[in-house]
Amino acid sequence: GQNIDQPTEMTATEGAIVQINCTYQTSGFNGLFWYQQHAGEAPTFLSYNVLDGLEEKGRFSSFLSRSKGYSYLLLKELQMKDSASYLCAVMDSNYQLIWGAGTKLIIKP
Amino acid sequence: ETGVTQTPRHLVMGMTNKKSLKCEQHLGHNAMYWYKQSAKKPLELMFVYNFKEQTENNSVPSRFSPECPNSSHLFLHLHTLQPEDSALYLCASSQDRGSGVGGEQFFGPGTRLTVL
Repeated sequence: GQNIDQPTEMTATEGAIVQINCTYQTSGFNGLFWYQQHAGEAPTFLSYNVLDGLEEKGRFSSFLSRSKGYSYLLLKELQMKDSASYLCAVMDSNYQLIWGAGTKLIIKP
Repeated sequence: ETGVTQTPRHLVMGMTNKKSLKCEQHLGHNAMYWYKQSAKKPLELMFVYNFKEQTENNSVPSRFSPECPNSSHLFLHLHTLQPEDSALYLCASSQDRGSGVGGEQFFGPGTRLTVL
């Protein structure tokens, strides 16, 4: 079956750096997406990786290793507003997004 | 209005009621999706429409019935639901069904559904 694994919850301190990991097993691979979802709100797109390596976008970076079925989202200079759930999703060979359950990130002052 | 809108935002219904959820996208996209989001579970894809044609139905019970009258509007008709159907129902759209940034999905705020 298809599976996306990510930690259920993480805690970090304001101003620090946090890395949220995602491992996947899917039928085919057509890219990996990270989304942010604040409580009670819609998920919003953060990043897309289809080739191995690091994609940087401001304070957020996303890394992909296709051979290892592994990705991470790196958040730097954490702010209180970064408290949210972070969803990892992989597009399979049928162009369907397979979603992880999300990682709830709690930022403490 | 911009982006993806959904109405109503909250809905409480009995098991014998019939109601409909509405989604509208103002992005000129060709693909639209219905998802179910339950607490601490992955998003569950329910239905996919591409150019108004249904392309996916992920073994969804018949008490959920989708309708896509045009590429901007998507409905989810509900009847004789069960309490376990209580969840957040999210609508999304994307430029197309392919990979790449064009496959990026834009979500509406969702409808919080409670079935009594």
